[in-house]
Amino acid sequence: DAGVTQSPTHLIKTRGQHVTLRCSPISGHKSVSWYQQVLGQGPQFIFQYYEKEERGRGNFPDRFSARQFPNYSSELNVNALLLGDSALYLCASSRGLNQDYEQYFGPGTRLTVT
Amino acid sequence: AQTVTQSQPEMSVQEAETVTLSCTYDTSESDYYLFWYKQPPSRQMILVIRQEAYKQQNATENRFSVNFQKAAKSFSLKISDSQLGDAAMYFCAYRPYSGGGADGLTFGKGTHLIIQP
Repeated sequence: DAGVTQSPTHLIKTRGQHVTLRCSPISGHKSVSWYQQVLGQGPQFIFQYYEKEERGRGNFPDRFSARQFPNYSSELNVNALLLGDSALYLCASSRGLNQDYEQYFGPGTRLTVT
Repeated sequence: AQTVTQSQPEMSVQEAETVTLSCTYDTSESDYYLFWYKQPPSRQMILVIRQEAYKQQNATENRFSVNFQKAAKSFSLKISDSQLGDAAMYFCAYRPYSGGGADGLTFGKGTHLIIQP
């Protein structure tokens, strides 16, 4: 089975622009979470979606938004990009919200804001 | 808020030797999960081992084992018979057991593990 896939692999944007990152979960997984990993730090939780609804949110500004589609894939949107948004964005999928379910991570999208 | 602290930015070990990575955490919850993730240069985060707080027995997965001290809020990872493929960033992570609620993982800053051939 294919793992979690993310696109694009790398992205370069200019301050003030908008970006959309995409994630496809493992087949059968209904929950998707997004994390931001700044260079030299551990990942930070941004959102969790389950059955197309936001079920958890980390401490990120409203410039960050996400959605989940009927096929359980997800998009992360970031508006008005700042230099500090440069990071590796990781997507993780799991079968559901049950805390026993393991989260499987994708390879990430490297976003550089100039 | 929960915090996870990894006090060793970098560790080095000879191939075939044993190394222990440290992790402490702070929480007011009584039920939670703890994890060790490995992130090689390929960037893909891989689960190494997990521990449920209600279980007294320390988790083991082949060459990987943990020393879970709930009272001390300590969760160290021991890697036995280190192999070159173990070289990576290792992250300790915490997640509360919220009875079905959605909570993300809280990660430490990571420990860079170097394996000397």
